[in-house]
Amino acid sequence: QVQLQESGPGLVKPSQTLSLTCTVSSGSISSGDYYWSWIRQPPGKGLEWIGYIYYSGSTYYNPSLKGRVTLSVDTSKNQFSLKLSSVTAADTAVYYCARETTGTTVYNWFDPWGQGTLVTVSS
Amino acid sequence: DIQMTQSPSSLSASVGDRVTITCRASQSISGYLNWYQQKPGKAPKLLIYGASSLQSGVPSNFSGSGSGTDFTLTISSLQPEDFATYYCQQSYSTPRTFGGGTKVEIK
Repeated sequence: QVQLQESGPGLVKPSQTLSLTCTVSSGSISSGDYYWSWIRQPPGKGLEWIGYIYYSGSTYYNPSLKGRVTLSVDTSKNQFSLKLSSVTAADTAVYYCARETTGTTVYNWFDPWGQGTLVTVSS
Repeated sequence: DIQMTQSPSSLSASVGDRVTITCRASQSISGYLNWYQQKPGKAPKLLIYGASSLQSGVPSNFSGSGSGTDFTLTISSLQPEDFATYYCQQSYSTPRTFGGGTKVEIK
């Protein structure tokens, strides 16, 4: 079954750019039935959806992140990536990648999720 | 954005209890409501999609109901492995939004 795995630096300095990659295994990122999402969770808090990308490269970003987000996809590597610019301590969170089922279904949902990676913003 | 409000934010219950968690959307979302379970240090796990459809492999003591703005997650008989935090999430529109979570603790 499909598995997702996040990777990237665990520590980022304030004002710099956070970069993470999600590798999809046992399934193709090029399937038209899915969106590929990033979701984050600050320590001890709830979940915030960051945005999604389709295999074609089309994207939707959460307006709450005020234009700091860029998602990209590399179908040859079966990966998609997140860049979050101008980070502050408020961006410290566990970052999850997840697959959102769409396509032939009426409803959409997030499944599976990656295990998550903690990114700390600190000098 | 559609706001999702869960209640209660936490509850204490005993093994075998029936537990009900509610989720209210700030506007109608039809049946576009999902429920997730999260245990400490783990990613959320899908329990219910489309308000009432049980995800494959999820025990049948979990059930979901509702439509429009009001939804319910019910655990018919709480098991030790069910102590966790539960989140609702709307997939009616973007941006996707989650409820604040309900922590189910052992009484």
